[in-house]
Amino acid sequence: DAGVIQSPRHEVTEMGQEVTLRCKPISGHNSLFWYRQTMMRGLELLIYFNNNVPIDDSGMPEDRFSAKMPNASFSTLKIQPSEPRDSAVYFCASCVSFSGNTIYFGEGSWLTVV
Amino acid sequence: AQTVTQSQPEMSVQEAETVTLSCTYDTSENNYYLFWYKQPPSRQMILVIRQEAYKQQNATENRFSVNFQKAAKSFSLKISDSQLGDTAMYFCAFMNQGGSEKLVFGKGTKLTVNP
Repeated sequence: DAGVIQSPRHEVTEMGQEVTLRCKPISGHNSLFWYRQTMMRGLELLIYFNNNVPIDDSGMPEDRFSAKMPNASFSTLKIQPSEPRDSAVYFCASCVSFSGNTIYFGEGSWLTVV
Repeated sequence: AQTVTQSQPEMSVQEAETVTLSCTYDTSENNYYLFWYKQPPSRQMILVIRQEAYKQQNATENRFSVNFQKAAKSFSLKISDSQLGDTAMYFCAFMNQGGSEKLVFGKGTKLTVNP
């Protein structure tokens, strides 16, 4: 079984550039999450989709961040314009929508903004 | 809002020995789920074990077991017969029952298993 697939695995970009992170959830999973991990703040939930609809985006830091889920098998997280403080590991995760179900994580996208 | 606290930033253990990682949480809810995730140097988040709050029996997965104390809001992870491959960050996480499946994570404990 393929797990959650994220791309790119690593990205180095210059401040001000647009960054797009991509995610393919596990087939059959209808909840999708974007998390950000930094040393200072740990793991933070950015946004959560259920059946392709954003349910909770209260964790999105600011207007520079946007996320979409055009269909059940694809989601993007976009940062425009990027800043050095956006440097982090971004995780996509998915699960079958049912309280308590295990959430499966992708391998993460390591973003460095210089 | 729920919070999860891991009071041990770093721990170490000798190979083949047993180690316990601590986790406490704060919630006013009665029904919820608790998880331990492992993050090795590869950075992938891997589920180690999960516990339903309504179950009194502590969850066990091979060498991993938990001590769930609901009244004390404590959820510790015990690793028996530690192996070098257990070296990783360990995160305790909380999920409320009902509504969304949002996970709230602790800050993590860095575990090093020494040969």
